[in-house]
Amino acid sequence: GEDVEQSLFLSVREGDSSVINCTYTDSSSTYLYWYKQEPGAGLQLLTYIFSNMDMKQDQRLTVLLNKKDKHLSLRIADTQTGDSAIYFCAESIESSASKIIFGSGTRLSIRP
Amino acid sequence: EADIYQTPRYLVIGTGKKITLECSQTMGHDKMYWYQQDPGMELHLIHYSYGVNSTEKGDLSSESTVSRIRTEHFPLTLESARPSHTSQYLCASSKSGRADEQFFGPGTRLTVL
Repeated sequence: GEDVEQSLFLSVREGDSSVINCTYTDSSSTYLYWYKQEPGAGLQLLTYIFSNMDMKQDQRLTVLLNKKDKHLSLRIADTQTGDSAIYFCAESIESSASKIIFGSGTRLSIRP
Repeated sequence: EADIYQTPRYLVIGTGKKITLECSQTMGHDKMYWYQQDPGMELHLIHYSYGVNSTEKGDLSSESTVSRIRTEHFPLTLESARPSHTSQYLCASSKSGRADEQFFGPGTRLTVL
């Protein structure tokens, strides 16, 4: 079945890099996404990667995709206090007609 | 910033009441979605729509119903609210296309006493 898994918590020091990992099970995924959710708010799309790419960089964000291992990661360089949030990994599967499957989210906390 | 709105943002209501959660988007997106999310937990798709007069049930069974009479509007209705309906409800929309990026509203936090 379709499943997306993430670790629940990550704590990093301000200024360090954060790496949030995600694994998925469906090999027919077309796009993989990273969303950010701040307290009391909806989800904000940070970035996405097409399944035939292995890396995408956008300012402080780097997405790495290992399709063989079905592993996706999000690296945030120079982590700031404003990066504190829950980060959701998600995949879209062509066979599921545009539905997106979300992971359970990784809560990122920043320590001074 | 995404132009998708949800009202009310917070609602506390007694058991048995009928409620409608509003969702509107001004981006002309054809697809719209409702998710249910308990605090700190994953999202569960409860309803979606591919366009006017199209509605489908999602992966999580829900006692709520939806309608899509206009492209920009996708309200969710609970005929008789119960404490088990207490949750956050997130509305999203997307435009048909290669990436199907979903844009989310701010959510409605519903508490049923």
